[in-house]
Amino acid sequence: NAGVTQTPKFRILKIGQSMTLQCAQDMNHNYMYWYRQDPGMGLKLIYYSVGAGITDKGEVPNGYNVSRSTTEDFPLRLELAAPSQTSVYFCASSYSLLLAGDNEQFFGPGTRLTVL
Amino acid sequence: GQSLEQPSEVTAVEGAIVQINCTYQTSGFYGLSWYQQHDGGAPTFLSYNALDGLEETGRFSSFLSRSDSYGYLLLQELQMKDSASYFCAAPHSGNTPLVFGKGTRLSVIA
Repeated sequence: NAGVTQTPKFRILKIGQSMTLQCAQDMNHNYMYWYRQDPGMGLKLIYYSVGAGITDKGEVPNGYNVSRSTTEDFPLRLELAAPSQTSVYFCASSYSLLLAGDNEQFFGPGTRLTVL
Repeated sequence: GQSLEQPSEVTAVEGAIVQINCTYQTSGFYGLSWYQQHDGGAPTFLSYNALDGLEETGRFSSFLSRSDSYGYLLLQELQMKDSASYFCAAPHSGNTPLVFGKGTRLSVIA
């Protein structure tokens, strides 16, 4: 099992450019998440999905879009990149949302994005 | 809403014991989780408490008191490799994703 994979690992964007951060998992998890982490800070939820075709906003969704056409993939789209979107982006997946000891989230290695 | 408070930094000596506290305010309670993150790395799951008491996993233990809205992570026999950030996390409500605290940066010194 590769677990959760993310591409690219690093990216530099110019203001106003767009890009898609890719995320895939091979654990057959229904639940997937996108977080951003600013230096020295915790994780803030951008969007999440409870299954193919179903997505919902998290704490900081503005400036981002997601789609979930398959169980495995959960891409994050940045439109019109801004310097405030400079951050490390983590994708994660889990078997369930809570309880039963199965709410462990598995994280990808992250994408380090700089917007100049 | 959901909020979790934890100290921003803790320093401890190699071989010692350290406790990282987390207090939470929630509209309900659905368990408290702990994650570890080394610099430049991804968070990894350490433990989960749904009920009051102590959960032990090797050198790491996690404690929960639901009546006090409080939990802690206990690290024993500290090693240099334990230097990392530790996050407590809990769901906002029964059917929503985890909300993470801002993290406690642990520095283990010789």
